[in-house]
Amino acid sequence: ETGVTQSPTHLIKTRGQQVTLRCSSQSGHNTVSWYQQALGQGPQFIFQYYREEENGRGNFPPRFSGLQFPNYSSELNVNALELDDSALYLCASSFETGRNTEAFFGQGTRLTVV
Amino acid sequence: GQNIDQPTEMTATEGAIVQINCTYQTSGFNGLFWYQQHAGEAPTFLSYNVLDGLEEKGRFSSFLSRSKGYSYLLLKELQMKDSASYLCALYNFNKFYFGSGTKLNVKP
Repeated sequence: ETGVTQSPTHLIKTRGQQVTLRCSSQSGHNTVSWYQQALGQGPQFIFQYYREEENGRGNFPPRFSGLQFPNYSSELNVNALELDDSALYLCASSFETGRNTEAFFGQGTRLTVV
Repeated sequence: GQNIDQPTEMTATEGAIVQINCTYQTSGFNGLFWYQQHAGEAPTFLSYNVLDGLEEKGRFSSFLSRSKGYSYLLLKELQMKDSASYLCALYNFNKFYFGSGTKLNVKP
């Protein structure tokens, strides 16, 4: 148990629809990062939120957007879903100190786009 | 990009020692992390290196050489439950850049 909770655990959506994934970070953590993990691949960095603002973004189109709330929980929104968006979406929370800190991953949300 | 490379798959015998290599090409990073991921589950932290050298944590050890762009994860006294994917990740400003992972099969 890492204290990081994601919901839902599984989701099936139709191409063209929109989806919102949620992440509750570990208590005391102020930074949340989102990753996309396609089958057989390593997780790919989508973006990070620190104190409610985007703090870096990977190579993902603008239809991937996010939010972080005052309690540091976070949402990942994906618009105009494509079949290639089918993946495991992971969030990781950490406490930003400017130095290396361990990040804790949630159990992930398995998104299937049909 | 970080161009992180790991072998795709390895097989080893229960009780043996296995070394999983990771090479990378990048100008700089804070640390190199190793994660274990069982099928369908989230990655779990194993070990990390900031400085060159060997870090030991029980049955798991990790080594880093920044000058050679190289790291390895060493697993001793392999157990069946060690069958999983092992992810090498560069860590920079609280962001991870992962390799594709090495699937380790442990056989009796």
